[in-house]
Amino acid sequence: YVLTQPPSVSVAPGQTARISCGGSTIATKSVHWYQQKPGQAPVLVAYDDSDRPSGIPERVTGSKSGNTATLTIRRVEAGDEADYYCQVWDSSLDPTYVFGGGTQVIVL
Amino acid sequence: QVQLVQSGAEVKKPGASVKVSCKASGYSFSDYYIHFVRQAPGQGLEWMGWITPNSGTTFSARNFHGRVTMTRDTSATTVFLELSRLQSDDTAVYFCARGGPVSHFDYWGQGTLVSVSS
Repeated sequence: YVLTQPPSVSVAPGQTARISCGGSTIATKSVHWYQQKPGQAPVLVAYDDSDRPSGIPERVTGSKSGNTATLTIRRVEAGDEADYYCQVWDSSLDPTYVFGGGTQVIVL
Repeated sequence: QVQLVQSGAEVKKPGASVKVSCKASGYSFSDYYIHFVRQAPGQGLEWMGWITPNSGTTFSARNFHGRVTMTRDTSATTVFLELSRLQSDDTAVYFCARGGPVSHFDYWGQGTLVSVSS
């Protein structure tokens, strides 16, 4: 099972970043999102498609439509510059967690 | 507060094994699975497997079948990942993370760098 993310997204401060995550049957799966800054462990920023962990600002939201999940970051700040990964559990013949390839968010 | 603290960096030769520890604190150890995820230099995240702290049941990704052993010490609230027959492409940062059997990972360890070089 493959999750496809754009390699990078560039956004000016104060604007909105949208990070897509595509998969053939993603509509039937729960999608989770992680932020990872250089040299640090990933941090959960959204789970079960659109839920937000405590401590994550409301300007960060997850959504899903059809075969694409999206992480939206509104009013982007310099501190949002990081890599973002989507993740699902694939319960096919070879059950495994699958991560997308990651998207680097670049704040201009 | 929930914490997962991992052991320090390791340097190994090809063919050797490495054992990484992950000590959990701040929550009921038996209530959550512990997963292992690795990240090669400049690359993405790769899930390796999980262990249930209460029973010690394990499940690993097909890529690691036969090379990964996960164990736990409940008295020390610590989980261990052992990876055998190391090759240079096993050079990576290895993370432990807390989660359920098929859900998200809400807390992560700081990572352990394993370098494999002759």
